[in-house]
Amino acid sequence: GQQLNQSPQSMFIQEGEDVSMNCTSSSIFNTWLWYKQDPGEGPVLLIALYKAGELTSNGRLTAQFGITRKDSFLNISASIPSDVGIYFCAGPPFGGSEKLVFGKGTKLTVNP
Amino acid sequence: DSGVTQTPKHLITATGQRVTLRCSPRSGDLSVYWYQQSLDQGLQFLIQYYNGEERAKGNILERFSAQQFPDLHSELNLSSLELGDSALYFCASSALAGATYEQYFGPGTRLTVT
Repeated sequence: GQQLNQSPQSMFIQEGEDVSMNCTSSSIFNTWLWYKQDPGEGPVLLIALYKAGELTSNGRLTAQFGITRKDSFLNISASIPSDVGIYFCAGPPFGGSEKLVFGKGTKLTVNP
Repeated sequence: DSGVTQTPKHLITATGQRVTLRCSPRSGDLSVYWYQQSLDQGLQFLIQYYNGEERAKGNILERFSAQQFPDLHSELNLSSLELGDSALYFCASSALAGATYEQYFGPGTRLTVT
C-alpha cells in the first residue's frame, strides 16, 4: 500500500530555533494533513492542505503541499518547549478512501 | 479537546479475554474511524463506519469487530486477545464521508494484555 516517509526521525533543537521536517511518498496524495501527538494523548490536527503548491500557516507553524503532490513540508518558527512531541504527516491514499495513512513521525525535543 | 471521547482510558486484561472499547464522535460527525498505534507499526487504520454502516476496512484482524449505533457512538470489540494486541487504540471522527479528510482523534485507550 501507499506509505509515507518522514524525515528526520528525531530532532534535538534549542528553544528559539526554527524547525523543518518533511514527508514524502512514492504515490500522489490529494490531501496532506499534519498532526502533533503528545505522550499518552491522541493526535491533534495542526494543518490540512488540499491543493498542490498550497502554503498554509497556523500560528508559528507553516506547511506546504509539494507541487509534485508526492511531498509536504512542515516548518515551526521560533520553537518553544511546548512544541515537544511527535509530528505526523498523513493523507488519504489515492482511490477515494477516507482512511488515513500515517508516516512514522518526527520526534521533536526542544531544549530550554 | 477534540470533542471525541473514548472509554476506558486504560485497560489491562489477560490473554484469551475479550474487551470492548467505546467511542463517542464529535457532535454532528457521522464518520467514525478506529486506529491502532503500536511502537513497531505506528498508526494503522482498522475500520471506518459512516452513519451506522461499515464503509472501509483496513488490516483488521478477524478477532476484532466494530459497530456504530443509531446514536453514532461506536464500539470496537477485541476477542481472543494476544500479547501482541497490546497497543493504543484511537477513535477519530469526521463530519461527512467524502466532504473532508480532516479527522479528529480521541484521547485513546491503552490496552495491555498480560
